Amino acid sequence: GENVEQHPSTLSVQEGDSAVIKCTYSDSASNYFPWYKQELGKGPQLIIDIRSNVGEKKDQRIAVTLNKTAKHFSLHITETQPEDSAVYFCAASGFQKLVFGTGTRLLVSP
Amino acid sequence: EAGVAQSPRYKIIEKRQSVAFWCNPISGHATLYWYQQILGQGPKLLIQFQNNGVVDDSQLPKDRFSAERLKGVDSTLKIQPAKLEDSAVYLCASSSHRGYDEQFFGPGTRLTVL
Repeated sequence: GENVEQHPSTLSVQEGDSAVIKCTYSDSASNYFPWYKQELGKGPQLIIDIRSNVGEKKDQRIAVTLNKTAKHFSLHITETQPEDSAVYFCAASGFQKLVFGTGTRLLVSP
Repeated sequence: EAGVAQSPRYKIIEKRQSVAFWCNPISGHATLYWYQQILGQGPKLLIQFQNNGVVDDSQLPKDRFSAERLKGVDSTLKIQPAKLEDSAVYLCASSSHRGYDEQFFGPGTRLTVL
């Protein structure tokens, strides 16, 4: 089955810096890659997603890139703000079943 | 639009006891998911319903876990008997269709088994 690895497990940045989180997946049949943000005491919330027929997608300060050959995808957050502090999860889906990474705790210091 | 509702939000039980969680998905969403999220890990799918039929329950420990979705709307997840390793947050999610539609998550139920 699918296996998703995520790095780093924790990431501390200063406000205004950029943050990058990387994930790799194992199943070449996976073709949908969402990113979720989870705040304390809440369920995960989708922030951006990408499908395998697209190499890059951007939404304001957030962008995701996908390299199908290498089986990895990344989340880029620019101009980070304290409210970006949360746990971020990548996920991969092949046969309509999401497999999540282990999460990255992002801390943005003012 | 109301989000996914779950109750209770917190539950503490002794091992070998039973517990049930309830989920009300977003109105009109055909697909409902139950995930288990152990502290420090990503959510793991336990069971997926399409309307009131089970699509995937391959990771559901069927000797102790059961779930149902009556009338294709609300769902309940039950654990009987609970073990210490069942301590986790149980998340319910729904999406409008099976497949690559966005999954909307509820706030979860935090279960502690003592």
